[in-house]
Amino acid sequence: GQNIDQPTEMTATEGAIVQINCTYQTSGFNGLFWYQQHAGEAPTFLSYNVLDGLEEKGRFSSFLSRSKGYSYLLLKELQMKDSASYLCAAMDSNYQLIWGAGTKLIIKP
Amino acid sequence: DTAVSQTPKYLVTQMGNDKSIKCEQNLGHDTMYWYKQDSKKFLKIMFSYNNKELIINETVPNRFSPKSPDKAHLNLHINSLELGDSAVYFCASSQDGDVAKNIQYFGAGTRLSVL
Repeated sequence: GQNIDQPTEMTATEGAIVQINCTYQTSGFNGLFWYQQHAGEAPTFLSYNVLDGLEEKGRFSSFLSRSKGYSYLLLKELQMKDSASYLCAAMDSNYQLIWGAGTKLIIKP
Repeated sequence: DTAVSQTPKYLVTQMGNDKSIKCEQNLGHDTMYWYKQDSKKFLKIMFSYNNKELIINETVPNRFSPKSPDKAHLNLHINSLELGDSAVYFCASSQDGDVAKNIQYFGAGTRLSVL
C-alpha cells in the first residue's frame, strides 16, 4: 500500500533549527511536497523536490533521497509564527498526492 | 481576490439532512479536488475533477456527490448526513502539466458538524 510516515509532534526553541523527517512508500513517484497548516486554516504550499538533493527557500529547505524514500524539511531561525503542522505529501504515478498526518511543531520562547 | 473560495465556512446540521458546499477557483486551473480532514488531521482525497470529468473517486460513500458546472466550480452535495461526516472539508485546485504545476491551492475549509 501507499504510506507516509512523519513524527506526530516536535518541540523547538525560538531562533533554533529543526528538522522534520518524512518517509514514504508510493506506487511510482513524481515528487515530494511540503505544506504548512496553521491551526484552523488551510494548508499552504512550502516546497517540493523531484530530484535528489536540497532545495533552499529562505529559512526553509527541503531534502529528498529517492533511493531511501526519505525527505526532510529544515527550518532555520525559528520564529513563533512557525508554530504549525507541517504536512509531507508524495505524488504517485497517477499524479495523486498521498498525504501524511502532519507534524505539529511547537515553538517555545 | 481569494484564489480558492468555499462556502459556507461553518455548517452545523442534524443527522439525516442534505447539505451542499460550494467551491470556486479564479486561478484558471484545470483540476479541482475535495478533501476530508478528520480529527486526526489526515487529509483524505475524496474527489478530483479535471476539466469537468471525474478522474479520482476514492472509496467515498455514494451519499457524497460532486457537481462541476464548469472548470472553475466544484460543489459537494451530501445526502443523509451521518455523525461520522463531521470533519473539515477542503476544496483545492491545481494546474495540469509538470510537477511544479501540480502545486495545490486550498480553500479556507468548511467545518461541518453533524448533530
